[in-house]
Amino acid sequence: GNSVTQMEGPVTLSEEAFLTINCTYTATGYPSLFWYVQYPGEGLQLLLKATKADDKGSNKGFEATYRKETTSFHLEKGSVQVSDSAVYFCALSGSQGAQKLVFGQGTRLTINP
Amino acid sequence: AAGVIQSPRHLIKEKRETATLKCYPIPRHDTVYWYQQGPGQDPQFLISFYEKMQSDKGSIPDRFSAQQFSDYHSELNMSSLELGDSALYFCASSQRGGAGEQYFGPGTRLTVT
Repeated sequence: GNSVTQMEGPVTLSEEAFLTINCTYTATGYPSLFWYVQYPGEGLQLLLKATKADDKGSNKGFEATYRKETTSFHLEKGSVQVSDSAVYFCALSGSQGAQKLVFGQGTRLTINP
Repeated sequence: AAGVIQSPRHLIKEKRETATLKCYPIPRHDTVYWYQQGPGQDPQFLISFYEKMQSDKGSIPDRFSAQQFSDYHSELNMSSLELGDSALYFCASSQRGGAGEQYFGPGTRLTVT
């Protein structure tokens, strides 16, 4: 079945540091890929998405590129801020219409001033 | 923009009691999903509905049932509650024909004592 593997956390960085959170997936066909962010006590917010190979999703300075050859969708940001502290989830859904999301285990990110 | 609405936000029940969680999807979204998130875990898919019909089923206990009504809102009914049912329950909605992105509500935190 489909699965997502994220780099283990927690990750602690200083403000303005470069961020990479690794995500790899296993899926049949051509899944859609997503990054969701969860702030303390809140629901999951869609951060960015990519629906086909070589697509780059971007939002709020975050980027991720759909790499089919390496089955990866790594999240990057050039300069993190304290407000980026949250839990980040990589997720995929099947390629056929509305399908359930399969999540990675989440990576807790803490940014220190 | 309108978001997914969930009620109640917090619920405390005793073992063996029943609970009903409600979800109001984003207007014009035709698909509703339910997820369960345990402490420090990733969300796990429970069940989904498309146009008021069950479309997929995940790891939902037989003690739980759900339905989607004519106005597209959905309810998750949980009976014979157990301590292990304590979790955050998220509802998400999407529009079939989109890229598969789901929009999450703020969640209902269920505590079983």
